[in-house]
Amino acid sequence: GIQVEQSPPDLILQEGANSTLRCNFSDSVNNLQWFHQNPWGQLINLFYIPSGTKQNGRLSATTVATERYSLLYISSSQTTDSGVYFCAVERMDSSYKLIFGSGTRLLVRP
Amino acid sequence: NAGVTQTPKFRVLKTGQSMTLLCAQDMNHEYMYWYRQDPGMGLRLIHYSVGEGTTAKGEVPDGYNVSRLKKQNFLLGLESAAPSQTSVYFCASSWGAQGYTFGSGTRLTVV
Repeated sequence: GIQVEQSPPDLILQEGANSTLRCNFSDSVNNLQWFHQNPWGQLINLFYIPSGTKQNGRLSATTVATERYSLLYISSSQTTDSGVYFCAVERMDSSYKLIFGSGTRLLVRP
Repeated sequence: NAGVTQTPKFRVLKTGQSMTLLCAQDMNHEYMYWYRQDPGMGLRLIHYSVGEGTTAKGEVPDGYNVSRLKKQNFLLGLESAAPSQTSVYFCASSWGAQGYTFGSGTRLTVV
């Protein structure tokens, strides 16, 4: 099956720092999404980004489908950015079912 | 607008007991999913539904059953709980590739 690898697994930042999270996937996909799981466990959809670049405030994401990777940029990090960031992909033969990576755990210190 | 609601939020079961987890969505989404999340891991798909009256197996379906009798509800059943089913269970719904909305999760412990 398709493999989704995220790096780094853990990241500690000082408030105000920037960071880049990476997601590699092993096969062609229909779509790719980024989620944030906050410390209380709630999963929030950040980006639907099968290709190209999108920005939402301090967050932006880029997917290069031909090279099978996606990047999530966090600028001017805040303590509320802490949590786990998941990349999830949908296989080409799928009914919108998502395959999740194991996540990047981010801690932003004040 | 509640979105996706899961009940219960917490449950402790003894090995061999049965239970049903309820997921309800009020967004008129066609697609609904049940995932489980184990410590330090991403979510894995248990079962899913592409519309009322339909269900299908995901990555880890063994030990679980599901039903979607009404469009807004998706039930996940454990017939004979095992300690390996200790996990956090998430329900989600979507109208397609976009619009994925998750419930707040059910933390299940099987002792």
